[in-house]
Amino acid sequence: AQSVTQPDIHITVSEGASLELRCNYSYGATPYLFWYVQSPGQGLQLLLKYFSGDTLVQGIKGFEAEFKRSQSSFNLRKPSVHWSDAAEYFCAACSNFGNEKLTFGTGTRLTIIP
Amino acid sequence: EAGVTQFPSHSVIEKGQTVTLRCDPISGHDNLYWYRRVMGKEIKFLLHFVKESKQDESGMPNNRFLAERTGGTYSTLKVQPAELEDSGVYFCASSQDLGAGETQYFGPGTRLLVL
Repeated sequence: AQSVTQPDIHITVSEGASLELRCNYSYGATPYLFWYVQSPGQGLQLLLKYFSGDTLVQGIKGFEAEFKRSQSSFNLRKPSVHWSDAAEYFCAACSNFGNEKLTFGTGTRLTIIP
Repeated sequence: EAGVTQFPSHSVIEKGQTVTLRCDPISGHDNLYWYRRVMGKEIKFLLHFVKESKQDESGMPNNRFLAERTGGTYSTLKVQPAELEDSGVYFCASSQDLGAGETQYFGPGTRLLVL
């Protein structure tokens, strides 16, 4: 069955520190991959997406993600976090042949400490 | 441009009652999706409309859930009768074009609590 796994339920980092959120997928063929962020009271906002090509994808708010086929991973990174990055982050995937529904991971809640 | 809106933002009902959730997609978006997040678990797909037609309803949990999109604009999701396990956050999303990987824009969700 198709699935997306986010191993970390909750991560705490200091403001200004680097961040990496993990995401692994299990699909028959390489899916399209997404990272969404949900701030309190807001909808899910798309940070970035990967379809093909360059395995390092740049997104909004200074985030990037790297696709690694050999590890079935699509980890999200940011070199220096800001207090406003505190939110819940969701990795998602969909099949690359016409099925638009997204399969999500369980989410990672990010807390930023001063 | 207004984003996806959902109403109500919160709903608390008793088991056996009926609740109707509403979603207004971004204007001009033909595709409308419903997802649900049960506490502590992943967000799961419920169904997908293309205009007023149900393209995929494979995620609907049972026949207590009824989704409609009359006229291809806003959509409603009715739960009748509600059960305790229906509690969670119901998200609506919309996209302009059909196709794998088309960006889906999400609303803030409706938090449903069934007591």
